[in-house]
Amino acid sequence: NAGVTQTPKFQVLKTGQSMTLQCAQDMNHEYMSWYRQDPGMGLRLIHYSVGAGITDQGEVPNGYNVSRSTTEDFPLRLLSAAPSQTSVYFCASSARELSYGYTFGSGTRLTVV
Amino acid sequence: GENVGLHLPTLSVQEGDNSIINCAYSNSASDYFIWYKQESGKGPQFIIDIRSNMDKRQGQRVTVLLNKTVKHLSLQIAATQPGDSAVYFCAETHSGTYKYIFGTGTRLKVLA
Repeated sequence: NAGVTQTPKFQVLKTGQSMTLQCAQDMNHEYMSWYRQDPGMGLRLIHYSVGAGITDQGEVPNGYNVSRSTTEDFPLRLLSAAPSQTSVYFCASSARELSYGYTFGSGTRLTVV
Repeated sequence: GENVGLHLPTLSVQEGDNSIINCAYSNSASDYFIWYKQESGKGPQFIIDIRSNMDKRQGQRVTVLLNKTVKHLSLQIAATQPGDSAVYFCAETHSGTYKYIFGTGTRLKVLA
């Protein structure tokens, strides 16, 4: 059981570069989300999806895009990287039912210089 | 990640003692709550959950208490072990939405 797989684990970008953080889950979960984690600020929701073809913004969506073409994949795109986007990014998935909450990936540590 | 613990409240306990980690949640309409454990360099991991129709739920060495009157959640860890050292987060949600609100976390340090 792979669970939620995130790639890459580490990434360094220059300001203005774009990139895509990959997320895939093999649990047939309907719900998927992207969070960023900064010191002392807990987890903040960037974007989320309730199923293939459906996405919406979370509390900190600016500078990020998402798409959900399949149930399994939910990539996060940074359009033009800024130092303020230096963070640890977590992808998470959940079944529709409220049990066991989210299953999280192991995270991507992104540094923008 | 490794920097998660910076600026977080820290609870230090002796190995073998009981730990109590507290969380104040924000939304009185929240009806489902979860405690997560996050070890350094890893993603949060589910520990235990509780629904709003319960005041207490027990797992293996862990107990969650819910006080809806004051919007307070606590996690009790019995006989704390070195492997319990981590950052602990509470999360809340309402059954009408799957969006979770996470607390900022508490770092638990277990002293040998």
